[in-house]
Amino acid sequence: EDQVTQSPEALRLQEGESSSLNCSYTVSGLRGLFWYRQDPGKGPEFLFTLYSAGEEKEKERLKATLTKKESFLHITAPKPEDSATYLCAVQGSGGGADGLTFGKGTHLIIQP
Amino acid sequence: DAGVTQSPTHLIKTRGQQVTLRCSPKSGHDTVSWYQQALGQGPQFIFQYYEEEERQRGNFPDRFSGHQFPNYSSELNVNALLLGDSALYLCASSSSGVETQYFGPGTRLLVL
Repeated sequence: EDQVTQSPEALRLQEGESSSLNCSYTVSGLRGLFWYRQDPGKGPEFLFTLYSAGEEKEKERLKATLTKKESFLHITAPKPEDSATYLCAVQGSGGGADGLTFGKGTHLIIQP
Repeated sequence: DAGVTQSPTHLIKTRGQQVTLRCSPKSGHDTVSWYQQALGQGPQFIFQYYEEEERQRGNFPDRFSGHQFPNYSSELNVNALLLGDSALYLCASSSSGVETQYFGPGTRLLVL
């Protein structure tokens, strides 16, 4: 069974204070690891897809990295508008699974 | 280019009733997945539809059923509603063979 654990559960930073969010996973044959951003009461917004260990992707102040056991979402010089819940999900190839398995998310608050 | 759309945005039902939620996929997508997200939790995979058939199912009872139409839109039906069915129901669309799923805004269901 695929599993995703995200840490920390919540993180409060000052504006401009860089940090990293962690996503540890176990999966039968990784087809993809996904990062989403979710604002309260809204659907998840796609950020990144990573496919293999060593891969990195960047978008504005966000950078996602992937190893064989975990992924990190690095946030550089965050702004208050980066406040949201960040969700990590995996898709495995075991049993032809197509659904995503999500972690519980990291609730990020950026204070001005 | 319209993204994933869902209707209605909010719904209130009583225990034992039945509900139907609707989803239109992003333009060019042919695969629709449904997820249930309880408060403070990550989304949980319900099932996925492709070519008008249920391709895969998560750990949800038969009270949850679905349908996909020739235009790729989809419905989620839940029978005999329980209080525990109260959640945000998310629809995600993708293209067959491409792993990344894009989510709609969700339908908030409250069961009283």
